[in-house]
Amino acid sequence: QQQVKQSPQSLIVQKGGISIINCAYENTAFDYFPWYQQFPGKGPALLIAIRPDVSEKKEGRFTISFNKSAKQFSLHIMDSQPGDSATYFCAASKGGATNKLIFGTGTLLAVQP
Amino acid sequence: ETGVTQSPTHLIKTRGQQVTLRCSSQSGHNTVSWYQQALGQGPQFIFQYYREEENGRGNFPPRFSGLQFPNYSSELNVNALELDDSALYLCASTLTSGVHNEQFFGPGTRLTVL
Repeated sequence: QQQVKQSPQSLIVQKGGISIINCAYENTAFDYFPWYQQFPGKGPALLIAIRPDVSEKKEGRFTISFNKSAKQFSLHIMDSQPGDSATYFCAASKGGATNKLIFGTGTLLAVQP
Repeated sequence: ETGVTQSPTHLIKTRGQQVTLRCSSQSGHNTVSWYQQALGQGPQFIFQYYREEENGRGNFPPRFSGLQFPNYSSELNVNALELDDSALYLCASTLTSGVHNEQFFGPGTRLTVL
């Protein structure tokens, strides 16, 4: 059962443009939503994360928008750069002893120079 | 501060064999989680260890087992390897101290089962 749905599967953006990746979740018990960036041959690296008590969080060029009623959240990359070309994963977890991460299927972003 | 390290980087096994993958946690972290990432997919949670005890398990059969040592390093063991076990195996370490704890991933071990 896919608990976190991510779209699009791939995305091509021109340098300087805005990259937008969307995720939707089903389990209302989720209360932590991180985004990870993964380069080929590397493990995922935490980019930014949000909790449902806020609707937006910004760190540098990266912004998470969160819509609790719609059970959706998205990653916006402003002024996209070729170095941002990577696979991006959204994830979700719920509080508790384990707080395992449930990942989306990933978005392959290509930023063209 | 050293990050999460994993060994080996790559591994080739044949069906039916057993394999052991190793992970060293980030300095000061006391919790280790293991994930399986099939090609083109997001990581799938296998299990987590906290203070040397299994602390949660995903939908993986018992032939996937693990250990955590007093220095918080960890092993993932897979018995009776199947072709579908071919994947990138990721270790993530965490300092468990609150409700939500950031997970920091290692570079992974690429396992190929022939």
